[in-house]
Amino acid sequence: GNSVTQMEGPVTLSEEAFLTINCTYTATGYPSLFWYVQYPGEGLQLLLKATKADDKGSNKGFEATYRKETTSFHLEKGSVQVSDSAVYFCALRDSSYKLIFGSGTRLLVRP
Amino acid sequence: NAGVTQTPKFQVLKTGQSMTLQCAQDMNHNSMYWYRQDPGMGLRLIYYSASEGTTDKGEVPNGYNVSRLNKREFSLRLESAAPSQTSVYFCASSTGTSEFPGEQYFGPGTRLTVT
Repeated sequence: GNSVTQMEGPVTLSEEAFLTINCTYTATGYPSLFWYVQYPGEGLQLLLKATKADDKGSNKGFEATYRKETTSFHLEKGSVQVSDSAVYFCALRDSSYKLIFGSGTRLLVRP
Repeated sequence: NAGVTQTPKFQVLKTGQSMTLQCAQDMNHNSMYWYRQDPGMGLRLIYYSASEGTTDKGEVPNGYNVSRLNKREFSLRLESAAPSQTSVYFCASSTGTSEFPGEQYFGPGTRLTVT
């Protein structure tokens, strides 16, 4: 079945460091891929998405490129801020409405 | 525009008690969803409703029932709570249909503890 695998956290970085959170997926067909962010005490918010191979999703300085050859959708940011501290979820949506989530990666950015 | 709202925010139940989690959206979305979030497991779909008057099971439906009361409201009921149902519950809604789904918008969650 379809699944999403994320790197385990927590990831702890200093402010202005480069961020990469790895995400790989298993799916039949051509899924859409998403990154969601969850700030403490809140629900999930869509951060970015990509709907086909080689698409790059971007938002708020975050980027991720849909790589079909490596079945990956890694999240990157060039310079993280304390306010980026949150839990990040990678997800895929296959030919149906259903979202399948990874287990989440907690990011802690220290001043 | 409130988006997706959920009540209550927190709840503690004893084993065997029942309760209903409420969810409402004001975005005129067709589809609504209930998820549970457990540590290290991401979100798992409990039930969904593609449109008013229809509901269907997700990945982990056992022990739950749902009602799509109208287009705005989608409730989740635990008839006889068990400690395994201790979790954070999220409601979500989206535009579109099951064939052409749109982006899902999430509520703030309900933290439920069953003792």
